[in-house]
Amino acid sequence: AQSVTQLDSHVSVSEGTPVLLRCNYSSSYSPSLFWYVQHPNKGLQLLLKYTSAATLVKGINGFEAEFKKSETSFHLTKPSAHMSDAAEYFCVVSDTRGSTLGRLYFGRGTQLTVWP
Amino acid sequence: DAGITQSPRHKVTETGTPVTLRCHQTENHRYMYWYRQDPGHGLRLIHYSYGVKDTDKGEVSDGYSVSRSKTEDFLLTLESATSSQTSVYFCAIREGEGHNEQFFGPGTRLTVL
Repeated sequence: AQSVTQLDSHVSVSEGTPVLLRCNYSSSYSPSLFWYVQHPNKGLQLLLKYTSAATLVKGINGFEAEFKKSETSFHLTKPSAHMSDAAEYFCVVSDTRGSTLGRLYFGRGTQLTVWP
Repeated sequence: DAGITQSPRHKVTETGTPVTLRCHQTENHRYMYWYRQDPGHGLRLIHYSYGVKDTDKGEVSDGYSVSRSKTEDFLLTLESATSSQTSVYFCAIREGEGHNEQFFGPGTRLTVL
């Protein structure tokens, strides 16, 4: 079974400081992993994805995530936060083996606040 | 922009009334999904479709039905709306095998009084 745990429901940082949003996953198969971002009253936008190629994945807006199989983690980082990064972030896992239905399993989200 | 529209974008209705939400895509993708989003729960899958007239249940399907008579449209129906179905509903599409990422529509905010 697939599941995702986002370890922090809220993260607050100052503008210009690093961002770390933590995610652990559980998967019966080799997973595909994603981070989505949702700005207030908006839909979800794909930030980045891991699909068994390079373990360090670069996404949009300076975000990146590292897949660590030994730790079952897929933490999202950014070296320097910007005010526009304030949003809710979702870690998501999908089963890539044995199923063509491509179901996604969402974490509960991490609300990122960026202080000026 | 993945070419996904949802209608209506906002709706207020009363308990016991039927409600239908529409998802429309312009790119002929095979797979379509309906999710609901509630605070503290992330997104949860209601129903999904893997082709015209091919649908199946997700994890929170009770009280919902779906239909897909054309590739481009995926309808979500609440047969008799309840206050617990007050939520934001998102439609998503997936390009097909070999692509696991999904692209989401703008959402429909539904309030059941």
